[in-house]
Amino acid sequence: GAGVSQSPSNKVTEKGKDVELRCDPISGHTALYWYRQSLGQGLEFLIYFQGNSAPDKSGLPSDRFSAERTGGSVSTLTIQRTQQEDSAVYLCASSSGHGKPQHFGDGTRLSIL
Amino acid sequence: AQSVTQLDSHVSVSEGTPVLLRCNYSSSYSPSLFWYVQHPNKGLQLLLKYTSAATLVKGINGFEAEFKKSETSFHLTKPSAHMSDAAEYFCVVTPPFKTIFGAGTRLFVKA
Repeated sequence: GAGVSQSPSNKVTEKGKDVELRCDPISGHTALYWYRQSLGQGLEFLIYFQGNSAPDKSGLPSDRFSAERTGGSVSTLTIQRTQQEDSAVYLCASSSGHGKPQHFGDGTRLSIL
Repeated sequence: AQSVTQLDSHVSVSEGTPVLLRCNYSSSYSPSLFWYVQHPNKGLQLLLKYTSAATLVKGINGFEAEFKKSETSFHLTKPSAHMSDAAEYFCVVTPPFKTIFGAGTRLFVKA
């Protein structure tokens, strides 16, 4: 079956521009996660959606970052006024619930010039 | 406080020799524990999971891990390394309401 799909796979943009990253989770998965992985680093938690509950935004690094999940399915991570330090791979994962295995997309590689 | 510590940032083995990737955790609750693998330019793939049914957990590609509560460890092993095992490995713990990733261990496999 279809896995987690992320788009675009690569994004290059100029400093100061806004970017939107999309995640299409596995159908029926109620939990959706966003992570950031900088070069050679581990995963940094950004935000977690679970069903209709309020999202856990505790990992968002600044107010330039926001995310939404429409209809309990597709999610969009938005970064406003991008900075060079935002350059990283952004990974999305979904699962059937907290504590269940997470299924990851291949990520979006974001490069800020 | 909950935490995960992967004791080695990188491990190098020869093809055909055993692999040991070490992970220690700290959790106030009985957590679920996972190992994931990440190949270059790919997302993470689940290798195996522990959810209290059995202390020795078998995963894909010949990997297994043993949960030792007394040592708060969940080390990943494989009897014989293959070149295709070269990747980054992450130990993960999920106490309530959180997902905590270890910093990762990069496995190098020499021919």
